[in-house]
Amino acid sequence: DIQMTQSPSSLSASVGDRVTITCRASQGIANYLAWYQQKPGKAPKSLIYAATSLQGGVPSKFRGSGSGTDFTLTISSLQTEDFATYYCQQYISYPYTFGQGTKLEIK
Amino acid sequence: QVQLVQSGAEVKKPGASVKFSCKASGYTFTTYYMHWVRQAPGQGLEWMGIINPSSSSITYAQKFQGRVTVTRDTSTSTVYMELSSLRSEDTAVYYCARDHGAAGGHFDYWGQGILVTVSS
Repeated sequence: DIQMTQSPSSLSASVGDRVTITCRASQGIANYLAWYQQKPGKAPKSLIYAATSLQGGVPSKFRGSGSGTDFTLTISSLQTEDFATYYCQQYISYPYTFGQGTKLEIK
Repeated sequence: QVQLVQSGAEVKKPGASVKFSCKASGYTFTTYYMHWVRQAPGQGLEWMGIINPSSSSITYAQKFQGRVTVTRDTSTSTVYMELSSLRSEDTAVYYCARDHGAAGGHFDYWGQGILVTVSS
């Protein structure tokens, strides 16, 4: 199975900040990488797919980059609604696997 | 608009089985594969399996082989998951999620989730 490792596991930031979350795959996954946002008690929401493509309706403040084994999610100009948990996921091979999550909290 | 509406919460005893549903609307049901993902309380996301609603071809995560059955009813655009021999570790929220394409895609729409509680 492909292991996905996110860092950091938690992150404190202020409104207006820019933050970066990293995701590393245990083997190359080309660009078969997605990012999801999850708020408490809610289903995950798709943000980024194919490593860099923005899901329809998602603001451009979310930016994905990377390919192969190393990927990043950058969120600019943080607003209160952005404080949530973020997961990366590989979908190049079964079983699809997720990172352990990064909880973004308000400082 | 695309919607995935899941059935209600379940409480089961260890050793029992549970079957829950995911009803799709707003798109052609047989065109997009469907996944099942679960999330234990306070934990991350775990992929369980995928079904092709057109052919009923299924792939399960090895961890769940022999204990999970995914089916579909094209007449009602509904996908079902049955999980047997329940244990406390199966307590989780179970989500259906649509594949963006014909497999090999990310999950573009998610159901609201079903809380399954396994307790004696």
